[in-house]
Amino acid sequence: DAGITQSPRYKITETGRQVTLMCHQTWSHSYMFWYRQDLGHGLRLIYYSAAADITDKGEVPDGYVVSRSKTENFPLTLESATRSQTSVYFCASSALAYEQYFGPGTRLTVT
Amino acid sequence: EDQVTQSPEALRLQEGESSSLNCSYTVSGLRGLFWYRQDPGKGPEFLFTLYSAGEEKEKERLKATLTKKESFLHITAPKPEDSATYLCAVLANSGGYQKVTFGTGTKLQVIP
Repeated sequence: DAGITQSPRYKITETGRQVTLMCHQTWSHSYMFWYRQDLGHGLRLIYYSAAADITDKGEVPDGYVVSRSKTENFPLTLESATRSQTSVYFCASSALAYEQYFGPGTRLTVT
Repeated sequence: EDQVTQSPEALRLQEGESSSLNCSYTVSGLRGLFWYRQDPGKGPEFLFTLYSAGEEKEKERLKATLTKKESFLHITAPKPEDSATYLCAVLANSGGYQKVTFGTGTKLQVIP
């Protein structure tokens, strides 16, 4: 089915481990985004990508790495997870960086 | 620094009781203002984009308006299925690139 998917939907990991969150969209949208959502902070942009092989930092990029070798995929890697990275992570895509379409989210817990 | 403030934080309405949600913003170089609906455990769902002061958009019981300092989401005769968190976001020019800033949302509960 067309749309934007995220995997896994739930993840528990330990402090210091590397973890990768996956995002896949079938619309061929140019732009893709990663956000985290925490109580009291709303959605905060981690990284975004304007096209394959083009990525840039958002508001809270420290501790995260992204890549985009294909238009449809935009994985987010936590190189060494910390408890402060416990959050709900949303991926979004957009044709023109205006209205964004969000995935269902990944709830990550770092113990 | 760009700021987006939504009020109230939470709103409880009786079914059929119309009201408005507010989104006030302080940004330079506004390119667009967006409204999203978010249900528990799900990603935000796009509702509207407004580009300039005076613009209005409608969808079913929802109507969004925009001024130079704020936007309102008017909900007419709400139903229980309108219960959700409503998010506002602005797209603005910031240091040579375009930046999206989200508000923290208004949690709406509509009681039958």
